[in-house]
Amino acid sequence: EPEVTQTPSHQVTQMGQEVILRCVPISNHLYFYWYRQILGQKVEFLVSFYNNEISEKSEIFDDQFSVERPDGSNFTLKIRSTKLEDSAMYFCASTPQGDPNQPQHFGDGTRLSIL
Amino acid sequence: GDSVTQMEGPVTLSEEAFLTINCTYTATGYPSLFWYVQYPGEGLQLLLKATKADDKGSNKGFEATYRKETTSFHLEKGSVQVSDSAVYFCALRTNQAGTALIFGKGTTLSVSS
Repeated sequence: EPEVTQTPSHQVTQMGQEVILRCVPISNHLYFYWYRQILGQKVEFLVSFYNNEISEKSEIFDDQFSVERPDGSNFTLKIRSTKLEDSAMYFCASTPQGDPNQPQHFGDGTRLSIL
Repeated sequence: GDSVTQMEGPVTLSEEAFLTINCTYTATGYPSLFWYVQYPGEGLQLLLKATKADDKGSNKGFEATYRKETTSFHLEKGSVQVSDSAVYFCALRTNQAGTALIFGKGTTLSVSS
């Protein structure tokens, strides 16, 4: 069964550094999402992406964050200048279309640790 | 705004016990409802879903019924196994194209033999 893949599985970065988290959504999917889960807390929506542009974003997704689909397969989340509070598990998800009845398929996540 | 409320955990059960994890929601319109499961060290996996009132989602012995009158989507299983130990998330998605999932805080289930 096709799946969403995320790399790396664990990223350790110094505060203030830029970090890029990578995701390969399922190949025929059109909607892409990033979520984060701070340790012990709930999963929070960051941003959704469709047709090469952001379709929705939360208040968490401030100017430090950006997303990009640099080629036909990758979907990246960049954090420009990381802060301690960015430490979290980041999940990528995708759906074949925008139908709200369709479940989102999640990757295994990237654990980001900011030192 | 839209939100999901789950019962606080952790829930600790013996093998073969009956499980209920409560979930209620607040949303405008008629959202789709989901249960996701997160096994230790893994990502989120869809467990089951229901897209309209009175629908029952089921998978791997788990069930949940979409109750519009009580705005609830409680997760149940008649006989849990040690392998069911995980974190369970209730989530909703409103009926607009491409909208994000809104998750509850998650409930940790620990099953002992």
